[in-house]
Amino acid sequence: AQTVTQSQPEMSVQEAETVTLSCTYDTSESDYYLFWYKQPPSRQMILVIRQEAYKQQNATENRFSVNFQKAAKSFSLKISDSQLGDAAMYFCVINTNAGKSTFGDGTTLTVKP
Amino acid sequence: GAVVSQHPSWVICKSGTSVKIECRSLDFQATTMFWYRQFPKQSLMLMATSNEGSKATYEQGVEKDKFLINHASLTLSTLTVTSAHPEDSSFYICRGETSGAYSYEQYFGPGTRLTVT
Repeated sequence: AQTVTQSQPEMSVQEAETVTLSCTYDTSESDYYLFWYKQPPSRQMILVIRQEAYKQQNATENRFSVNFQKAAKSFSLKISDSQLGDAAMYFCVINTNAGKSTFGDGTTLTVKP
Repeated sequence: GAVVSQHPSWVICKSGTSVKIECRSLDFQATTMFWYRQFPKQSLMLMATSNEGSKATYEQGVEKDKFLINHASLTLSTLTVTSAHPEDSSFYICRGETSGAYSYEQYFGPGTRLTVT
């Protein structure tokens, strides 16, 4: 069985500052995808960034980047220049070719003005 | 990107009644649909997986007779909560996938908030 651990239930960051959300996972699969999703108060799941496990280069999307350490099974999300709209619950997710997604417990991010 | 719609977005029903939630893939063929429930400030819990034209596969602990899932077409899957009780109050989210996409693309519906009084 695969697992995803988000060890930070809550995080806060000052507007314009940088914050890193941690995620570790475990899987017996060699090929998989990793995602970070944002769930704002509207509760719509919004894709923030994704990473193919076979790619060594860390994915980046504007202010969002990941630090993917495959050997350590770590997949942290860095948010630069935090904005008030970044406040949300963030989920780390792993997907294998079996099609099932495993979600972490989530990290609630507060952005302070 | 692909879009998944859910209807209704919010429903209130009385205890003992049934409620149906629809999940539609608007611009792709969802060969597989996943149904989740989510309690406040918690993660998504997978309830069942359905493939078009087949019976749904339920996760352990999910009552298949209570949560009826139908996936009769490539664009529509429904979740019916039968004889709803207050403990069924939750947020229900569907997610569609296209066969062969190797789970790289994930398409979530906006969710349905169910309140049972």
